[in-house]
Amino acid sequence: KNEVEQSPQNLTAQEGEFITINCSYSVGISALHWLQQHPGGGIVSLFMLSSGKKKHGRLIATINIQEKHSSLHITASHPRDSAVYICAVRSYRDDKIIFGKGTRLHILP
Amino acid sequence: KAGVTQTPRYLIKTRGQQVTLSCSPISGHRSVSWYQQTPGQGLQFLFEYFSETQRNKGNFPGRFSGRQFSNSRSEMNVSTLELGDSALYLCASSLIGQQADSWIYNSPLHFGNGTRLTVT
Repeated sequence: KNEVEQSPQNLTAQEGEFITINCSYSVGISALHWLQQHPGGGIVSLFMLSSGKKKHGRLIATINIQEKHSSLHITASHPRDSAVYICAVRSYRDDKIIFGKGTRLHILP
Repeated sequence: KAGVTQTPRYLIKTRGQQVTLSCSPISGHRSVSWYQQTPGQGLQFLFEYFSETQRNKGNFPGRFSGRQFSNSRSEMNVSTLELGDSALYLCASSLIGQQADSWIYNSPLHFGNGTRLTVT
């Protein structure tokens, strides 16, 4: 079992829909990152969280440390949000960074 | 402020050769980390440097090594290349602080555009 699990693996939705991507992890963490990667593109950091909730534009990230779970929400989704979203955690025990397999999101116009 | 710069963007090498990749972090960032991305395994952590010292290392063979210079620029080296080393290699820089025995993570990871290595 992977230490960082994301769901769903793939998601297709209509423009305007509310999107939720989930990340569960099994290790103690110092921080959790949400990353975005467009096809053929580089990786952009969306959020770094260690507790609570953060919001940036139409994106919201939450984390529940006790339940070892984080969610990334996209409100009013748009075709330009189509990308792979990756959850990564920094392990508290050895400081290594562990990645989820990513969620491939496709927003249809 | 300039972003993270990786060179070269593309490399083609033959099995058995060695390769050196370079990463220049954002000015002021003393932490540089390296990652391998493949379609099968996704993103995997290689190692991380802070102030010229390797902080931690992922589960890769000793053929993968790195170093960091006093200006925070970092290089990674892969010796005796294998076909399976074909991948996108990414580096990221970030702000990390130290307080007593604890590490303080002050910023997100800022990624470069990567070096695509093909081993034939």
